[in-house]
Amino acid sequence: GAVVSQHPSRVICKSGTSVKIECRSLDFQATTMFWYRQFPKQSLMLMATSNEGSKATYEQGVEKDKFLINHASLTLSTLTVTSAHPEDSSFYICSARDRQEPNEKLFFGSGTQLSVL
Amino acid sequence: GQNIDQPTEMTATEGAIVQINCTYQTSGFNGLFWYQQHAGEAPTFLSYNVLDGLEEKGRFSSFLSRSKGYSYLLLKELQMKDSASYLCAVSLLFGDSGGYQKVTFGTGTKLQVIP
Repeated sequence: GAVVSQHPSRVICKSGTSVKIECRSLDFQATTMFWYRQFPKQSLMLMATSNEGSKATYEQGVEKDKFLINHASLTLSTLTVTSAHPEDSSFYICSARDRQEPNEKLFFGSGTQLSVL
Repeated sequence: GQNIDQPTEMTATEGAIVQINCTYQTSGFNGLFWYQQHAGEAPTFLSYNVLDGLEEKGRFSSFLSRSKGYSYLLLKELQMKDSASYLCAVSLLFGDSGGYQKVTFGTGTKLQVIP
């Protein structure tokens, strides 16, 4: 089946630094990728929808300047958490939809656990 | 806005059948997914419904009623390894002429299977 690779799997950083998370579709082209955030024992919260070649669409309450999303190609989307603070500590997970199957299942990356000290 | 509701927790006995409900109130509905997620892991796909009715896949079945904004996931012959969170997710179309899609998850149901 289709594979989505997400790196890094775990990041520990100091407050004030920026962290970049990459999400790659390895064997398919993804016109749309989704970025989610998940707090312990809670469900996935959609942060933004990343569309190749255009600006990302952010959910209400998600700061665009805080969480920068770049979807430069059909196989790569990046999420940059700028000037990270302890409250940004969370599990971030990306998912992608196969361009050939727009209404089928999402393929998820393995997630990134971000810890901001 | 969108509301996608599920029971927070459920407990069922090994070998039994359990039904996890999901209700939604959304605009631009374009299909409904069910995912399973074990703690600390990424979600894994279980089912996708876009038309009304029941979709059966082994021990798992999923039902959808678009007019009622309702879906359920049915798990048969429960096994201990089925203990996990079950996430209902709705695919939505938005934007000009519905040209954009997004997938929003419900609150999730933590299922505990006991001997």
